[in-house]
Amino acid sequence: GESVGLHLPTLSVQEGDNSIINCAYSNSASDYFIWYKQESGKGPQFIIDIRSNMDKRQGQRVTVLLNKTVKHLSLQIAATQPGDSAVYFCAAASGGSYIPTFGRGTSLIVHP
Amino acid sequence: KAGVTQTPRYLIKTRGQQVTLSCSPISGHRSVSWYQQTPGQGLQFLFEYFSETQRNKGNFPGRFSGRQFSNSRSEMNVSTLELGDSALYLCASSHRADTQYFGPGTRLTVL
Repeated sequence: GESVGLHLPTLSVQEGDNSIINCAYSNSASDYFIWYKQESGKGPQFIIDIRSNMDKRQGQRVTVLLNKTVKHLSLQIAATQPGDSAVYFCAAASGGSYIPTFGRGTSLIVHP
Repeated sequence: KAGVTQTPRYLIKTRGQQVTLSCSPISGHRSVSWYQQTPGQGLQFLFEYFSETQRNKGNFPGRFSGRQFSNSRSEMNVSTLELGDSALYLCASSHRADTQYFGPGTRLTVL
């Protein structure tokens, strides 16, 4: 089955810096990838997604990069703000079911 | 548009009891999925319902069950509760087979 992992359980950055959160997946058949943000006491919040026919997608202050060759994706957050402090999950799905397998999460800590 | 709502938000039960959690999806969404989130195991998929039918199922024992009503609202039930069932139970809805949007979760504590 699919396994999804994040490289770092915790990432600390200074306010205003750019943040990069990495994720690796195991199933080469995965064709849909999602990043979620989870703040304390809340459910995961959709940030951005990307399909396997793309290698980059941009949103508001966020960019997701997908490297299918090495089965790796990353989330870049520009000008990180204290409100970005949360746990970030990547998830991968395949076969059109869109039932994703989640990674374990990276806790992003933004220092003012 | 209102988001996914889950009730109750917090629940305390004792071992051996059963519990029912409720989820109301985003209006127009017909797919509802349930997840269990624990610090040790992370987010694990329980099951997905679409148009009142279970479409996908995760690797959980039969004590975990669910159903979906004609208005797309869903319930999940856990019977014979164990201490290890203490977790945040999350419901997510999607339109058909696309991005899932999560509710705030129900925090279940089993004593």
